[in-house]
Amino acid sequence: GAGVSQSPSNKVTEKGKDVELRCDPISGHTALYWYRQSLGQGLEFLIYFQGNSAPDKSGLPSDRFSAERTGGSVSTLTIQRTQQEDSAVYLCASSSRSGTSGQETQYFGPGTRLLVL
Amino acid sequence: SQKIEQNSEALNIQEGKTATLTCNYTNYSPAYLQWYRQDPGRGPVFLLLIRENEKEKRKERLKVTFDTTLKQSLFHITASQPADSATYLCAPPDSNTGKLIFGQGTTLQVKP
Repeated sequence: GAGVSQSPSNKVTEKGKDVELRCDPISGHTALYWYRQSLGQGLEFLIYFQGNSAPDKSGLPSDRFSAERTGGSVSTLTIQRTQQEDSAVYLCASSSRSGTSGQETQYFGPGTRLLVL
Repeated sequence: SQKIEQNSEALNIQEGKTATLTCNYTNYSPAYLQWYRQDPGRGPVFLLLIRENEKEKRKERLKVTFDTTLKQSLFHITASQPADSATYLCAPPDSNTGKLIFGQGTTLQVKP
């Protein structure tokens, strides 16, 4: 596709339920990021995938959060046993970054707005 | 620890004026810095990248400066328009991992 897409665009769930958020990066981009943005706040890094390397999970706030990236393309962020404080916009970004010294530009999707009741 | 600071207060200016937004960083010296624009309900969009050896970078009505002595980047929009109203994020890379660290952003409101 022309850009990064995310689905669903909005998700309302009940506390304790599991949710899956999907990200389709730009074709050919090797790097994929997940961020969380609470209302009026900045972007909080969650997890980073680069090619076939082990993902950088250093930003995941708890073990209820996990993500995978299948075939080096589509990624799914899963939140288990959701809590009200998980309510936020979850943004995905991809880039053609390679290595740690690349001056990458990140291309963001529109985000998924998650509301946990 | 590495810290990025942007003015959390919204900046309100009149159409036609120059808007100046500030990004300060502490405890490290990034090799470059990026600026992004974020509209409500949308993901950030890349605007400009400036490297540490560049004092200034321009793109149309946008100008970014990078002062490694002051540890500061300034983002200017000249002849501002209501369509420039958005939140602007600065993002230097983490010195250890290279991952971008996004500032909290400054919201600009341009009034007609």
